[in-house]
Amino acid sequence: DAGITQSPRHKVTETGTPVTLRCHQTENHRYMYWYRQDPGHGLRLIHYSYGVKDTDKGEVSDGYSVSRSKTEDFLLTLESATSSQTSVYFCAISESTGEQYFGPGTRLTVT
Amino acid sequence: ILNVEQSPQSLHVQEGDSTNFTCSFPSSNFYALHWYRWETAKSPEALFVMTLNGDEKKKGRISATLNTKEGYSYLYIKGSQPEDSATYLCAFPHGSSNTGKLIFGQGTTLQVKP
Repeated sequence: DAGITQSPRHKVTETGTPVTLRCHQTENHRYMYWYRQDPGHGLRLIHYSYGVKDTDKGEVSDGYSVSRSKTEDFLLTLESATSSQTSVYFCAISESTGEQYFGPGTRLTVT
Repeated sequence: ILNVEQSPQSLHVQEGDSTNFTCSFPSSNFYALHWYRWETAKSPEALFVMTLNGDEKKKGRISATLNTKEGYSYLYIKGSQPEDSATYLCAFPHGSSNTGKLIFGQGTTLQVKP
């Protein structure tokens, strides 16, 4: 299994609070991605990174920001959480633009 | 907006049946087509990345074919087993170049009854 961890694995937070999710890899892969999974929508890309300090937006980036200061860590921040951001968040990595390896997921509930 | 369509949305088969499902994608600016398998309560796992028209890939009882000119890929499962029950996703690179950003289809959910 690719060495990808996500923290926290579960989080409940209140509307309006900031939240940061962490993705950590031990594979030294260049590309890292954040997705959200919602019923009826499947997997949708939020942001991705193609190198340290190099990031770009995905399909559903509004309300989210990311940072990558080290190869191994990719942080996803919800500046002010809303109920519509209740979801399961998956991080993924890839060495090139080929197959992606997914982390275990983080279940976020915004009340 | 890029559309990746999968059909059927769900499928119920008996153990031992063979089955197949479809992924349709834009045929212009083709780079690659990905297939992933996603079991309930787990994370998606890569099955295949296909890049060449006419390509056929195989992993055990699962195989996939690719037609880039008409924009579709088929996934076949021969002799389905209960452990094949999962959602099968296809994904297509997004953007004007191969950036690694993927657009996923909604998936086909397969249930194999013993």
